[in-house]
Amino acid sequence: GAVVSQHPSRVICKSGTSVKIECRSLDFQATTMFWYRQFPKQSLMLMATSNEGSKATYEQGVEKDKFLINHASLTLSTLTVTSAHPEDSSFYICSARAGQQQETQYFGPGTRLLVL
Amino acid sequence: EDQVTQSPEALRLQEGESSSLNCSYTVSGLRGLFWYRQDPGKGPEFLFTLYSAGEEKEKERLKATLTKKESFLHITAPKPEDSATYLCAVERRGSTLGRLYFGRGTQLTVWP
Repeated sequence: GAVVSQHPSRVICKSGTSVKIECRSLDFQATTMFWYRQFPKQSLMLMATSNEGSKATYEQGVEKDKFLINHASLTLSTLTVTSAHPEDSSFYICSARAGQQQETQYFGPGTRLLVL
Repeated sequence: EDQVTQSPEALRLQEGESSSLNCSYTVSGLRGLFWYRQDPGKGPEFLFTLYSAGEEKEKERLKATLTKKESFLHITAPKPEDSATYLCAVERRGSTLGRLYFGRGTQLTVWP
């Protein structure tokens, strides 16, 4: 199946710093990628839809100035958590859809963020 | 309001004890229903996509079925390595292609 990678797999940072997470589709082009966050023992919560060459679409309640998304190419989307605080500590997962027809959606391995 | 409800929340099975997981959905126009498996600390792993009522798909010990209101994930003679959280998600017609609505998942534990 299609492969989606994320980097880094885990990151620890100090409160107030910014962290960038990369999401890449390795063997296909993705005009749309999605960013989720997941708290322990909970399901995935969609944060935003990342569109190549245009602005991201954020879900209600997600601060767009705090979670900056850039989708500069058909294989790369980045999520930057700006001025991170301990409450931003979570598991961040991206996904990408392989194709415009009835294709499935593949997820990255996730990035564990811990803000001290 | 679109909803995806999975049951049970947790399921413990003895190795070889077959069972089913349920995903009921209320969505205005289903484009597709997805099943994923998620291991702790990892991203969801794709299992199946179902598009229309009556459709069935199989993969090893897993079989997914779909009706107009729900989907079942049947696990036949499970093994301990099948232990994971199983997530169900739907894609709605009219929404952004690829935008998924997830259920809370069923945590499956298979003990030897």
